[in-house]
This record gives sequence, structure tokens and C-alpha cells, in this order.
Amino acid sequence: AQSVTQLDSQVPVFEEAPVELRCNYSSSVSVYLFWYVQYPNQGLQLLLKYLSGSTLVESINGFEAEFNKSQTSFHLRKPSVHISDTAEYFCAVTSRGGGSNYKLTFGKGTLLTVNP
Amino acid sequence: KAGVTQTPRYLIKTRGQQVTLSCSPISGHRSVSWYQQTPGQGLQFLFEYFSETQRNKGNFPGRFSGRQFSNSRSEMNVSTLELGDSALYLCASSFLPEAGNTIYFGEGSWLTVV
Repeated sequence: AQSVTQLDSQVPVFEEAPVELRCNYSSSVSVYLFWYVQYPNQGLQLLLKYLSGSTLVESINGFEAEFNKSQTSFHLRKPSVHISDTAEYFCAVTSRGGGSNYKLTFGKGTLLTVNP
Repeated sequence: KAGVTQTPRYLIKTRGQQVTLSCSPISGHRSVSWYQQTPGQGLQFLFEYFSETQRNKGNFPGRFSGRQFSNSRSEMNVSTLELGDSALYLCASSFLPEAGNTIYFGEGSWLTVV
């Protein structure tokens, strides 16, 4: 069984400030890790994913996440946020083996609110 | 190319009724999965289909069912609706059901049960 814990349900920050959204996971098998973003009244959009290789992965809009196997974490960071980054962010895992376990297990989400 | 398309986007049903939601995956994608999103429970996996076969099912009662057609389009059905079934139902597709394949989500169908 797998589980994902997003440690903060809400994170308010001011525009141009740095932000870190925390994600820890638990799994008995190796996993792939994902961050999805959900804007109001929309579906989920993939922000970035870690499959293998470099433990630091980046998105096209300035977010980055680092996979830390020893701490079972995959925290999301951005050095300077914009008001348009206001959204809910979900961390998710899936088993590397896929097959009948091909599904995403999500955290409860972190609502990032960027204030002017 | 077009994304995952879900219909209807919004619907209101009465307790005891049934509902069918439709999903058209991204062209070429053969794996379709469904998730339920509620404020209390968050995002929960419902089921996953590949080549018209349900390969994985989440922890939901038998009132929740689905199917996939030969063109990869999928439908999910909820019978005997309960108030607690009010949720955003998200369909997602991927090229193959292999770990690491990116799963793309539609905008969802908002179901309100009154």
C-alpha cells in the first residue's frame, strides 16, 4: 500500500516570495513521483515528474522538485511566485511496476495562495 | 491535439437516480482511469481500463461501475445515487498503462446529488 502526506493544507505567500510545498510518501515498493496543479474549476495538469536519473526535476514555469529517497520526500519549490501560481497542488505516487497497480495515489493537496 | 474530454461538465441528480458520465481520451491513448474528488476524501481512484478490460478497481461500492469501448472511450455509471456521491469525477488517459507514462486529466464532471 502507498500513501502520500502533504504537510500543509494551505500556504499563503506574498508575490515574488519563495515557496516550498512539502510532500512525503510511504511505499513498500519503488515509486514514480508527480506533482499536479489544479486551477479553480479545472482538472489536474501535470507540473513535473520524477522517474529516474537526476533527483532534481524542473517544470517549464519555474517550479522544481527534489526526490530524496532517504527522507521519502518530494518537496516542490519555486524561488519567486506570481499571483497566477495561485492554485491547489497535489503530490502523487505510482508503483514503478505498473501493471495492475497502474494508478495514482494522491495527497490531500496544498492550496497555494499568492497575495499581492 | 485535443485533450481528455468529459461530458457532461455539470449535472444535478436526485437521490436514488442513476447517472452516466462519458470520457473521450486523448487520441491514441488506450488506458483510461477514473477518479473521484471530494473536499473530505480528496482524490480517490475508482477504476482503470485498458483494451476494454477493467484491470484495477478502487475501494468503492458496486454501485460504481464503468466500461471501455473498442475506440477507448469510456463511461462510468453510478446507480442509486446518494448525497455523498456529490463530487468532481475526473477521467484520465495515458498511452499505455505502464508506470512512468504520464496520465492526463480531463476537466471533470461536476455531479451534485440533491
